[in-house]
Amino acid sequence: AQRVTQPEKLLSVFKGAPVELKCNYSYSGSPELFWYVQYSRQRLQLLLRHISRESIKGFTADLNKGETSFHLKKPFAQEEDSAMYYCAPNSGGSNYKLTFGKGTLLTVNP
Amino acid sequence: NAGVTQTPKFQVLKTGQSMTLQCAQDMNHNSMYWYRQDPGMGLRLIYYSASEGTTDKGEVPNGYNVSRLNKREFSLRLESAAPSQTSVYFCASLEAGARNYGYTFGSGTRLTVV
Repeated sequence: AQRVTQPEKLLSVFKGAPVELKCNYSYSGSPELFWYVQYSRQRLQLLLRHISRESIKGFTADLNKGETSFHLKKPFAQEEDSAMYYCAPNSGGSNYKLTFGKGTLLTVNP
Repeated sequence: NAGVTQTPKFQVLKTGQSMTLQCAQDMNHNSMYWYRQDPGMGLRLIYYSASEGTTDKGEVPNGYNVSRLNKREFSLRLESAAPSQTSVYFCASLEAGARNYGYTFGSGTRLTVV
């Protein structure tokens, strides 16, 4: 079965510390992968796309096909990074639909 | 540009009541989706519409119906609400040919069934 796993429900770090939010997937072929972020009581918004290999708000994510992972990283966490983060692969192939992981709540302490 | 608009933002229903959640997008997107968000469960797909005139079941369709009224609007109906349907509901849309840009989400409807 195709699955996405975010093993950490909660992650707490101090400001300035590195942060890594883990995401593992089990999909055949070459999935399209995304990270979405939801700040407190706001709508979900796209943070990163694996295809673009970009850095947004200091975050990066590398697709590792060998480990089937798409971990989200930031070298120096900021308090405003506190939010819920969701990893989401396209599970529908050509019939596009995203499957979301259960999410990781990141808290960055001062 | 309003993007994706959901109404209402909040709703309390009694068990057995019916209601329709409305979603409209003004971006001329082809595909639209309804998700529910529950603590510890992430977002789960209820129904989606790949294009105007088509709808398909997602992961958790039981107890729901949808209507793709036109290209702009995609409504979600609860015919007989149950406490298990207490959740936050999100509508999303996607532009055809822009798969790599992901969804645009609405602000959500917080539904409580008592």
